[in-house]
Amino acid sequence: EIVLTQSPGTLSLSPGERATLSCRASQSVSSSYLAWYQQKPGQAPRLLIYGASSRATGIPDRFSGSGSGTDFTLTISRLEPEDFAVYYCQQYGSSPRWTFGQGTKVEIK
Amino acid sequence: EVQLVESGGGLVQPGGSLRLSCAASGFTFSSYEMNWVRQAPGKGLEWVSYISSSGSTIYYADSVKGRFTISRDNAKNSLYLQMNSLRAEDTAVYYCARGLYGDYAGFDYWGQGTLVTVSS
Repeated sequence: EIVLTQSPGTLSLSPGERATLSCRASQSVSSSYLAWYQQKPGQAPRLLIYGASSRATGIPDRFSGSGSGTDFTLTISRLEPEDFAVYYCQQYGSSPRWTFGQGTKVEIK
Repeated sequence: EVQLVESGGGLVQPGGSLRLSCAASGFTFSSYEMNWVRQAPGKGLEWVSYISSSGSTIYYADSVKGRFTISRDNAKNSLYLQMNSLRAEDTAVYYCARGLYGDYAGFDYWGQGTLVTVSS
């Protein structure tokens, strides 16, 4: 089973600042199978990034993804008020087919 | 507009059963893989089950294998999750989610979720 570990657990930043979120896999993950989601309280998750670096439809270009192998990064170049939320990485592999990281909360400092 | 609407959640006693439904609209349902994902109160996301577009391939998380059954009716544009032998640890919001079309993995549309509470 591939375990995804996200860090930090909580990121305290101010609007306008840059956010860098890490997702580390216990085994190598195909870049095609790494995705990032945003979830706000009381809402369903929203797909931000798929294929490690491709933005989903309608996602602003301040969101970018990078990485390969076991280390992946989600970067928000300049935080907007609506970006304060919890972010999850996800991978597709063998059993279990899909796993999520435990999440990183981006909170207002 | 793509829409996924879950229903069927509620309060059930331990050992009981519940059937969740997900009504899909705004896309060709029969062309897409579908999934169930759950989120326990205050916790992270857990993938539960997958079904291929035709229904011929199915996967489950170990935590629900043997107790939950995923199915779909492409004629009715609907996805289902039959949950038996429910436990307290199954308490969660259950989301249906559409799989990305093509060679990438990810879930591009999600329903609003339905809450399942297992308690006596």
